[in-house]
Amino acid sequence: GAVVSQHPSWVICKSGTSVKIECRSLDFQATTMFWYRQFPKQSLMLMATSNEGSKATYEQGVEKDKFLINHASLTLSTLTVTSAHPEDSSFYICSASRLGGSTDTQYFGPGTRLTVL
Amino acid sequence: EDQVTQSPEALRLQEGESSSLNCSYTVSGLRGLFWYRQDPGKGPEFLFTLYSAGEEKEKERLKATLTKKESFLHITAPKPEDSATYLCAVQASGNNDMRFGAGTRLTVKP
Repeated sequence: GAVVSQHPSWVICKSGTSVKIECRSLDFQATTMFWYRQFPKQSLMLMATSNEGSKATYEQGVEKDKFLINHASLTLSTLTVTSAHPEDSSFYICSASRLGGSTDTQYFGPGTRLTVL
Repeated sequence: EDQVTQSPEALRLQEGESSSLNCSYTVSGLRGLFWYRQDPGKGPEFLFTLYSAGEEKEKERLKATLTKKESFLHITAPKPEDSATYLCAVQASGNNDMRFGAGTRLTVKP
């Protein structure tokens, strides 16, 4: 178990439009979900942490109004990139945290490639 | 501030040539150290969690070890399909988020 899905796997949009990315934990209830951004040949940069029914906690430098996170249930979180611009083009990856032993292990989705024209 | 440093940045091996990847860390109370494998264009795949110094875990050709300052991922007789980026991350006490290292890009030539 511990499967996380993301949809869509890739998206191309015009500058100024909004894009929604879904993250689902398929076979477990996630205590917390995380959103990361990854540029080519770089490591994962945490954007925000969200718990079901609570407001997301954003990392320093991440615009809350630009990257809207909704965590509607224990198995679903969405990231909406509002008024996207070319500099928002990146690989977005979500993870879902599952409590096991004494740690919260994060299981990652397959990622979403966003290209803004 | 918690820090994770991985070395080398890139490693090229011949098939069957064993080696080790290093993850050095500083953290205010280690809750867990994690190893992931990431293939290009994919999300990271969970490999191991290590909790305390002296602990070891194995999976096929991979073995992870942990000391109070660093972790090693040993790869024995690697195959081309082991080629990937290997990421190390730490989780501090009282937190449930993780800080990642920059990764080691492993290439295994047949």
